[in-house]
This record gives sequence, structure tokens and C-alpha cells, in this order.
Amino acid sequence: GQQVMQIPQYQHVQEGEDFTTYCNSSTTLSNIQWYKQRPGGHPVFLIQLVKSGEVKKQKRLTFQFGEAKKNSSLHITATQTTDVGTYFCAGAHGSSNTGKLIFGQGTTLQVKP
Amino acid sequence: DAGVIQSPRHEVTEMGQEVTLRCKPISGHNSLFWYRQTMMRGLELLIYFNNNVPIDDSGMPEDRFSAKMPNASFSTLKIQPSEPRDSAVYFCASSFQAGLNQPQHFGDGTRLSIL
Repeated sequence: GQQVMQIPQYQHVQEGEDFTTYCNSSTTLSNIQWYKQRPGGHPVFLIQLVKSGEVKKQKRLTFQFGEAKKNSSLHITATQTTDVGTYFCAGAHGSSNTGKLIFGQGTTLQVKP
Repeated sequence: DAGVIQSPRHEVTEMGQEVTLRCKPISGHNSLFWYRQTMMRGLELLIYFNNNVPIDDSGMPEDRFSAKMPNASFSTLKIQPSEPRDSAVYFCASSFQAGLNQPQHFGDGTRLSIL
């Protein structure tokens, strides 16, 4: 079936270091969304990428969508303790516009002060 | 503005009992999603509705699980009978779908423990 794989599962960094999580789909995605879940909280939408090769930035966060629309990445520059949480990618497949998303397993980021 | 509202926030019950989880989506949203989150399996889509109609229930684990959306402002997820392996956090999310996929807004979740 349709799957979205995300790596790494866990990442521990020192505050100030960079962090990257990668997302790969077995099939072409129509678009991809990224969510952040703080410990004990619920997933919160961060951004959506639609176009092949698209790059979007939110302050220290950079999101990329691959040329083939099968992979994506989230890069955080100079991590802060407020970045702690689990980051999920979620893909919509093919021409789907029903709202259905397939979530990756998430990458849990720990930041040591 | 009120977000997605779920109740109860926590539920502890004995196996074999019926469990009903409730969700009120954001007003104006026409899509509603039920997810289950566990350490082992991550975030799984159970079922989703568009305009109150169930579209895809392929993620519902088994016949013990059922979901309804009688109107645009209310949905339930029922487990009967419940089993210890159903212990998880259950999230409801809603969005407004009109063409391109839109962001999903999640409720705070129901933390379910089946003893």
C-alpha cells in the first residue's frame, strides 16, 4: 500500500546545532504537509508544499519538496530548546483531493541546552 | 475561535466495556478524520468523512470499531467491546476541503486506557 517513510526516528542535538529529517514516499505525492507535535500535545500544521522542487522557509525552518515529488525534507538551523517535539510529514497521493493524508512515523527531536 | 473539541480527554475502563469518543469539528469544516496514535504504530488514519459521509474506513482495525457523523458538527468513534490493545491516544481532526488538500486541525485527543 501507500507508505511514507521518515528518518531518523530520533535525533538528539546540542542547542545551536542543525537538524534535518527526511521523508520518502513509495509513490508520487500531489502535495506534502509537515506537522509538529510537542510532548503531550497534538499535531500542529506547519506548512504545505505542492510544486516539484519547491522550497519554503519559516524563520529557521527550511522545507523542500523533491523534483520527483516523492521526497521531502525539513531542516532546522541552530536548534533551540523550543524546537523539541516530533515532526511529521504527511503526504497526499496522486490526484487525491479528498483530504486523506498518509503520515510518516515522525522524527522526535531532543535538544540539549 | 474554538478549535476541534474532543471528549473525554481521558478514559480508563475495563476490557469488554463499550467506549464512545466524541468530536466536534471546527465550524465550516467539511472533512473530519479519526486517528489513533501509539508508540508502536505511530499516527494511523482510522476513518474519514467528507460532508458527513464516510469516504474511507479501511484503517478501522476490526468490526469492534465503528464511527458515525450524524451531522456536520458532531462525530463519534465507538469501540465495543474494548480490549487492552485498543489503548492509545485517539485524535479527531477537521479541515475544509475544496480542491487542493488543506491543513488538518487536530483536537487535543482522548487518552484511552483499557485495563
